Amino acid sequence: AQSVTQPDIHITVSEGASLELRCNYSYGATPYLFWYVQSPGQGLQLLLKYFSGDTLVQGIKGFEAEFKRSQSSFNLRKPSVHWSDAAEYFCAVGANRVNTGFQKLVFGTGTRLLVSP
Amino acid sequence: DVKVTQSSRYLVKRTGEKVFLECVQDMDHENMFWYRQDPGLGLRLIYFSYDVKMKEKGDIPEGYSVSREKKERFSLILESASTNQTSMYLCASINGLSTDTQYFGPGTRLTVL
Repeated sequence: AQSVTQPDIHITVSEGASLELRCNYSYGATPYLFWYVQSPGQGLQLLLKYFSGDTLVQGIKGFEAEFKRSQSSFNLRKPSVHWSDAAEYFCAVGANRVNTGFQKLVFGTGTRLLVSP
Repeated sequence: DVKVTQSSRYLVKRTGEKVFLECVQDMDHENMFWYRQDPGLGLRLIYFSYDVKMKEKGDIPEGYSVSREKKERFSLILESASTNQTSMYLCASINGLSTDTQYFGPGTRLTVL
């Protein structure tokens, strides 16, 4: 069965500094990988996703993620963090259902990002 | 703009009550999901539905049931609410393709006293 590990529960970054959030997955086949963000009191919003092709994926709000098969990782990065990036970030792996095609997502436990002035 | 709406943002119920959480999507999506979100546990899938009147158990279905009578509406039912069902509940929907995005509602924070 697939699983996702986000080893950092909290991360604090100074505004303007770079950010990297870690995500490791376990899945037997080629994974579909996602990063979602949840702002306080809100639902989840998709930042980016990886299905195939270029292993460096660009997303919204200046985020990017790199798929590394050899390390089973899909880390999220941003070169310069803004105060509005403070939120909780979830990594997820999707498994296709053979008869319907959509992904059943398995989420990590999340990383809460705090941005200091 | 795509939209998934949930009937309540906050709900307070008493132990033993029957609770209905409603979710509506306006994207004509075939598939809908209910998750619960707890600190330190992330999101866990309760039930999902891949067609009207079709449902399938997720990872933590105990104590819950669902109903999907119309394509746009997916209801989560707590037959007899218990305090350990106090949580944030998130609804999501997706079209039929594996490359599509799951869209989430804003969540319902349920407190069971």
